Amino acid sequence: SQQGEEDPQALSIQEGENATMNCSYKTSINNLQWYRQNSGRGLVHLILIRSNEREKHSGRLRVTLDTSKKSSSLLITASRAADTASYFCATDAVQGAQKLVFGQGTRLTINP
Amino acid sequence: ETGVTQTPRHLVMGMTNKKSLKCEQHLGHNAMYWYKQSAKKPLELMFVYSLEERVENNSVPSRFSPECPNSSHLFLHLHTLQPEDSALYLCASSQDFSNTGELFFGEGSRLTVL
Repeated sequence: SQQGEEDPQALSIQEGENATMNCSYKTSINNLQWYRQNSGRGLVHLILIRSNEREKHSGRLRVTLDTSKKSSSLLITASRAADTASYFCATDAVQGAQKLVFGQGTRLTINP
Repeated sequence: ETGVTQTPRHLVMGMTNKKSLKCEQHLGHNAMYWYKQSAKKPLELMFVYSLEERVENNSVPSRFSPECPNSSHLFLHLHTLQPEDSALYLCASSQDFSNTGELFFGEGSRLTVL
């Protein structure tokens, strides 16, 4: 079964608004990562949060982790058109033969 | 040179063709990965190499054949593919396989099988 699941699958907001994406997972993890992918391109690492951390910031990004609920959220503040992309969470729980398991992603569209 | 370079970026092949995808990393990493990304499906890990040894093989059909001649280069040899193999193939590298840190991805090779 899939480890990480993002919610919502798609999100469309106006430029300047904040965007929040959620990720839920099923088993215990060591860390959780967020990646970004522009259409048809490779994934770019955004942030890694360890299981003993609750919140982490990087520029306009804020990631929270709630291990009791097995969930994480990615907040992008003051969104820009250039933030339009797909965002994926990835967890390191061993699931079958996979070391790092990715969710299906949230497609974020920022309207100018 | 960017960190992880993939060639070609686009490839169209017939079901009877033989082609190869190439990946090169300039980061001094010890682990390299092939992922498959199909529409509306999660990223699927295909192969992992650590220090040039294959350490993961996720029941990938034999029509996909990986090769890792050294720690900087990774190939994916393709032969007698099916139309459902059309996808974006992503190469990634990481410092080590045993420590699940950040993955560095290439831009991907978009494969279309006719």
